[in-house]
Amino acid sequence: QKEVEQDPGPLSVPEGAIVSLNCTYSNSAFQYFMWYRQYSRKGPELLMYTYSSGNKEDGRFTAQVDKSSKYISLFIRDSQPSDSATYLCAMKQSGNTPLVFGKGTRLSVIA
Amino acid sequence: DAGITQSPRYKITETGRQVTLMCHQTWSHSYMFWYRQDLGHGLRLIYYSAAADITDKGEVPDGYVVSRSKTENFPLTLESATRSQTSVYFCASSEHGSGANVLTFGAGSRLTVL
Repeated sequence: QKEVEQDPGPLSVPEGAIVSLNCTYSNSAFQYFMWYRQYSRKGPELLMYTYSSGNKEDGRFTAQVDKSSKYISLFIRDSQPSDSATYLCAMKQSGNTPLVFGKGTRLSVIA
Repeated sequence: DAGITQSPRYKITETGRQVTLMCHQTWSHSYMFWYRQDLGHGLRLIYYSAAADITDKGEVPDGYVVSRSKTENFPLTLESATRSQTSVYFCASSEHGSGANVLTFGAGSRLTVL
């Protein structure tokens, strides 16, 4: 079992839909949880990060972390065609440890 | 230009040849990383560096060599390229290694080994 599991999709939704993207993980020592967005033929860019459990909201995006279930989610409200990209979850322990990435979920928002 | 730049962006080579991918960052970030991205595997860490002259292996280091003589540069060398090293390679940097360790990525180098 990989440390971080993420359904690769692809996921196709109509414009305006609410999108839910998820990752599960096995390492209970993970403390920092991030979502990166990657457009086609570009490098990933940080979308949001959360420390420990809880929710964080930024505009149309909400990140949730449930450490008891080892489950993180990213919600996109009122999805737009410009949200079409691959979304990668990433997480790490405290200290000088490297990020561990999920495989990414490819999302298409259809106008 | 400020940021993190990778070169070349595209490279085609033959099996057995040596290839070097360059990475340069202008922020004086302490940490630099090399990842490869493949369908079905996602991003996998090859090597990383906490400072000049300090490097560590990641998840998939075999067949790769890195060096970091200057803080701003972190080249990745494939000493004898193999077809299995056909991939998209991303360089990244971060200010810190502890805590949130937010990475900023380059645009990627797409390598094809024939």
